Amino acid sequence: GQQLNQSPQSMFIQEGEDVSMNCTSSSIFNTWLWYKQDPGEGPVLLIALYKAGELTSNGRLTAQFGTTRKDSFLNISASIPSDVGIYFCAGPPLHSGGSNYKLTFGKGTLLTVNP
Amino acid sequence: DTGVSQDPRHKITKRGQNVTFRCDPISEHNRLYWYRQTLGQGPEFLTYFQNEAQLEKSRLLSDRFSAERPKGSFSTLEIQRTEQGDSAMYLCASSWRGGKNIQYFGAGTRLSVL
Repeated sequence: GQQLNQSPQSMFIQEGEDVSMNCTSSSIFNTWLWYKQDPGEGPVLLIALYKAGELTSNGRLTAQFGTTRKDSFLNISASIPSDVGIYFCAGPPLHSGGSNYKLTFGKGTLLTVNP
Repeated sequence: DTGVSQDPRHKITKRGQNVTFRCDPISEHNRLYWYRQTLGQGPEFLTYFQNEAQLEKSRLLSDRFSAERPKGSFSTLEIQRTEQGDSAMYLCASSWRGGKNIQYFGAGTRLSVL
């Protein structure tokens, strides 16, 4: 099946630092989604991106839809302890017919924030 | 709050037993999805309903798995003759067909097969 490669796999940072993570694919995506998952909970949507080159912010989070449509980036500024969790990129590959019903997820980036 | 609700949150069963999970989607959402997530992995698509019609099933969904959405509202996922390899988090999501069709997830049911 389709693979979404997330990098890095894990990050250990100090509170207040900025964080960058990315997601790449060999396939073109028409939507990129970023979710955060806390232990024992379901993924929570953070940001949705719909156009190549689009840059969208949600508070301290900023995400970009790569111009090649094969990658996306998520930045977190001034991290705080509650940012701890697993961050997933996801999307419906274009070859899936363009429908948004079948999401492919990356393996996630585990973020740890030291107070 | 009327988010996606899943029940039970945790289920421990013995190998060979049948289990059933329930998902109540966000009330105005007509699309419902089931995913499975194992440790260290992202969720993997299992199946999808639009209203009461099951429109696609993944190859991950073996014959022991069956999902229903009889009235186009809540859905159930049944696993028959559970195996240890079925141990995972089962996630339900829902979306509205119109607009951006963004999927919102429930908290999941964690299944442990002993």
